[in-house]
Amino acid sequence: AQKITQTQPGMFVQEKEAVTLDCTYDTSDPSYGLFWYKQPSSGEMIFLIYQGSYDQQNATEGRYSLNFQKARKSANLVISASQLGDSAMYFCAILGSARQLTFGSGTQLTVLP
Amino acid sequence: GAVVSQHPSWVICKSGTSVKIECRSLDFQATTMFWYRQFPKQSLMLMATSNEGSKATYEQGVEKDKFLINHASLTLSTLTVTSAHPEDSSFYICSARAQEPQFPQPQHFGDGTRLSIL
Repeated sequence: AQKITQTQPGMFVQEKEAVTLDCTYDTSDPSYGLFWYKQPSSGEMIFLIYQGSYDQQNATEGRYSLNFQKARKSANLVISASQLGDSAMYFCAILGSARQLTFGSGTQLTVLP
Repeated sequence: GAVVSQHPSWVICKSGTSVKIECRSLDFQATTMFWYRQFPKQSLMLMATSNEGSKATYEQGVEKDKFLINHASLTLSTLTVTSAHPEDSSFYICSARAQEPQFPQPQHFGDGTRLSIL
């Protein structure tokens, strides 16, 4: 069984500042993938970033980076230079041998002007 | 990139009617489709997984007779909410996966359907 834990129901950040969204996971699979998605109020799921369990380097995609600490089973998302358009729900997810995504409970991020 | 089209985006209907939601993969063959349900401010909960040409596999607690899933082709899956009632009101999202998933995005999501039952 796989599990994702996001302990921050809501987060606030000032525009142009960086913010870290926490994600811890639990899995017995030796190989797995970790994902972050953004869901604005309109509802669509927007893929942000992916980290494979065997990847040596932390993933980066523009202003998004994934702080992967395998020993701690954490995969935190860092958003640099926050923008008002970053206000949304953010979900961490894991994909393992079951070949289906398991999502965390999400973090509602609000960027303040 | 891979595109998944979900239709309709919104639907409002009376209690007791059946509602069909379509999910199409536009530029790839989706051997597997996933259907999720999401309540406000909550996570996506997997309802069922369907493979083309096979019966869907439902998650525990999901009523098979209430939520009918058909995956008759490699580009189309449908979810029919039968005899819908107000408690079925929710946001439904489909996701499609090719036989050989490509990373970093092994699954592609539709934009979702907001279902309101009066």
